[in-house]
Amino acid sequence: IVMTQTPLSLSVTPGQPASISCRSSKSLLYSDGKTYLYWYLQKPGQSPQLLIYEVSNRFSGVPDRFSGSGSGTDFTLTISRVEPEDVGIYYCMQSVQRTWTFGQGTKVEIK
Amino acid sequence: EVHLEQSGTEVRKPGTTVKISCKASGYTFIDYYIHWVKQAPGKGLEWVGLVDPEDGETVYAENFQGRVTIDADTSTETVFLELRSLTSEDTAVYYCATKTPWGQGTRITVSS
Repeated sequence: IVMTQTPLSLSVTPGQPASISCRSSKSLLYSDGKTYLYWYLQKPGQSPQLLIYEVSNRFSGVPDRFSGSGSGTDFTLTISRVEPEDVGIYYCMQSVQRTWTFGQGTKVEIK
Repeated sequence: EVHLEQSGTEVRKPGTTVKISCKASGYTFIDYYIHWVKQAPGKGLEWVGLVDPEDGETVYAENFQGRVTIDADTSTETVFLELRSLTSEDTAVYYCATKTPWGQGTRITVSS
């Protein structure tokens, strides 16, 4: 399964919204009714950290300005009001098969 | 608290083999697959493979098939990644990971 993210880079004014799109080459809806699409943020010099699991579920401790939406093959991560600490590279990831594949990553910087 | 602690930086010459480790703690070791993910300098994330610690079953990415071995030691709750016939293209940070968290990464440098 190929994951395609757009845009590959984003420059955002603090307090403004931002959206990242992720498209998969096959549906990520599994036979158990769950859709195995995740969003990670890799801050500079750190390991990736989970933001959103199964399309729209915010992981524990993730601020509510982060939200995920979508279905099937098209997904979106939205940051309602970007904060300076949100800089980094955002990756979508699929795990509908046991194998994982990642989008190319979207680099978010602050204007 | 779930934690994955990885072994330290490795430097190898081309054509040699490296084996790195990932010690799990804070959960029942056999309950979750552990994956390995490669991140070359300035590049994105590339899935290497996984191991099911319960039965040792492995799945490898096509790009690494035949050159990598992942195994799990349930007695020490540690997973290993062995990479053979190293080239400069293998220079990267390698992460062990569950969905969350990920380990801190192990840097492998391949240089003559």
